[in-house]
Amino acid sequence: AQSVAQPEDQVNVAEGNPLTVKCTYSVSGNPYLFWYVQYPNRGLQFLLKYITGDNLVKGSYGFEAEFNKSQTSFHLKKPSALVSDSALYFCAVRDDTGGFKTIFGAGTRLFVKA
Amino acid sequence: DAGVTQSPTHLIKTRGQQVTLRCSPKSGHDTVSWYQQALGQGPQFIFQYYEEEERQRGNFPDRFSGHQFPNYSSELNVNALLLGDSALYLCASSLGTANNYGYTFGSGTRLTVV
Repeated sequence: AQSVAQPEDQVNVAEGNPLTVKCTYSVSGNPYLFWYVQYPNRGLQFLLKYITGDNLVKGSYGFEAEFNKSQTSFHLKKPSALVSDSALYFCAVRDDTGGFKTIFGAGTRLFVKA
Repeated sequence: DAGVTQSPTHLIKTRGQQVTLRCSPKSGHDTVSWYQQALGQGPQFIFQYYEEEERQRGNFPDRFSGHQFPNYSSELNVNALLLGDSALYLCASSLGTANNYGYTFGSGTRLTVV
């Protein structure tokens, strides 16, 4: 069965500092991994994905994520945080064994302090 | 380029009533997935529709049903509403069932059951 864990409910970082939001996953086959961001009273917005290939993927708004197969992790990173990055971030996973559903983690709230 | 449109945006219903939520997918998308997001939680997969058929279902009771129309739009129906059905219901569209490109989400319908 697929599962996603986001071990931190909240991450606090000062503006200009690097940020990391953690995600680990469990799937039966090969993973398709995604990060989404949610602003208050809005739906989720797609940030980036890993399907295959280079382990470091780049996405929207300067975010990137590193796929680590041995650690079953897909951490979201940004070299320099902005106050406007403050939001709720969700990691999601689907596997390639034929199922259609994408499973989401519980979310991590990111606070960037000026 | 029209994104995903959901209606209504807010809804208040009484326990035991029935509700229908509507979704129009992003132009060019043919697959609609529905998610339930309770307060403070990640989205939970309800089901996915493709070619007017339910392709996969999450762990939701039969009170939750859906439909997809020839123009790819979709409805989510919930019968015999319970207080626990209060949540943000998100519609996500994609091209094909594989979701290799990430979902496009609507802003959601906030359902309150009283």
